[in-house]
Amino acid sequence: EAEVAQSPRYKITEKSQAVAFWCDPISGHATLYWYRQILGQGPELLVQFQDESVVDDSQLPKDRFSAERLKGVDSTLKIQPAELGDSAMYLCASSRDRDQPQHFGDGTRLSIL
Amino acid sequence: QQQVKQSPQSLIVQKGGISIINCAYENTAFDYFPWYQQFPGKGPALLIAIRPDVSEKKEGRFTISFNKSAKQFSLHIMDSQPGDSATYFCAALNSGGGADGLTFGKGTHLIIQP
Repeated sequence: EAEVAQSPRYKITEKSQAVAFWCDPISGHATLYWYRQILGQGPELLVQFQDESVVDDSQLPKDRFSAERLKGVDSTLKIQPAELGDSAMYLCASSRDRDQPQHFGDGTRLSIL
Repeated sequence: QQQVKQSPQSLIVQKGGISIINCAYENTAFDYFPWYQQFPGKGPALLIAIRPDVSEKKEGRFTISFNKSAKQFSLHIMDSQPGDSATYFCAALNSGGGADGLTFGKGTHLIIQP
């Protein structure tokens, strides 16, 4: 079964540094999501793409976070500068289209020192 | 404002028993309700989902019961096995809204004792 690929699996960095996460959705999936999951909580949506266009980024802290999906396939989420409160699991999900089930990758665990 | 409330926070069930996890929602525009299973260090995996035009959906040992008037839905795991030990999340979506981000509950940590 095809999977959503994410890298790196773990990232440890100091506050004020820049970090980047990469996601490769399931082949043919037009919709891509980035979620943030704080330990002990459910995931919360940061940004949604339909092909290369942003559908919703209302919950993305745009002063420090950015996301792109330039060719409508893989995507990168960036944080600059990182803050202590950014420590969390960053999950990528994809779906065949907007009204289809969402499938998650195994995430990137970010720790800010 | 927590739009999807999940209970219990943790649950211990004997092997072979029935595990029941409940969720309640506030937004009447929600029309898609999936359940996800998450193991430590892994992403959430879709288990089963329901839309409000049916009151129950069963897939193997997993059943969703849906009560539209009460704005509640629940997951039942029959013949619970140690391999079912994981964190379970309910979620909800308004598919007619401007975006498709799932609203998740806070999760239930399920332990199946052998």
